[in-house]
Amino acid sequence: DSGVTQTPKHLITATGQRVTLRCSPRSGDLSVYWYQQSLDQGLQFLIQYYNGEERAKGNILERFSAQQFPDLHSELNLSSLELGDSALYFCASSVGSGGAQDTQYFGPGTRLTVL
Amino acid sequence: AQSVTQPDIHITVSEGASLELRCNYSYGATPYLFWYVQSPGQGLQLLLKYFSGDTLVQGIKGFEAEFKRSQSSFNLRKPSVHWSDAAEYFCAVGGPNFNKFYFGSGTKLNVKP
Repeated sequence: DSGVTQTPKHLITATGQRVTLRCSPRSGDLSVYWYQQSLDQGLQFLIQYYNGEERAKGNILERFSAQQFPDLHSELNLSSLELGDSALYFCASSVGSGGAQDTQYFGPGTRLTVL
Repeated sequence: AQSVTQPDIHITVSEGASLELRCNYSYGATPYLFWYVQSPGQGLQLLLKYFSGDTLVQGIKGFEAEFKRSQSSFNLRKPSVHWSDAAEYFCAVGGPNFNKFYFGSGTKLNVKP
């Protein structure tokens, strides 16, 4: 158990809908990262927040957005969902502001299925 | 462009046999290299990482990896595989000041009894 929690574990929705994925980082961690893992794209970094502010952006679509709240939990919002958005979405957290020396701890993921 | 290649999609080894998983990277600067393991239904767990210094890195669960700059490789090894090692293994590369990781496509390890 990494100490990172994600809810829900599974989510099934329809195309065109909007969903929110939630992540609670490990106690004391200030950074939250979001990743998408799909069969065709593999594991991709989406976005990082550090202490409430966006720190780094990866291959995140404009239909997706995220935020980190004062209590440091984070939400990833996915809108206008398409079939291709079906994937496993991971959250990770780290103590510092990022960088390769800042070890990331991964949550168990949320499996999103878009029908 | 930064990239990571794991040439083996699936590998099957017998329990007790040695293991080597291959990883080749392309990175424009000094690479920071990682190996993660993902068990079924679980998130990724860091096995080991290389930043600098000794090119042979020891990790958890008896794994080690060797950085070879001349070959742009960071292969993962274990002398004796256990059935519980069956999982998917990901190699990743990043830089010191970047908060992005580039992951390989993963290698699924199957362990025969």
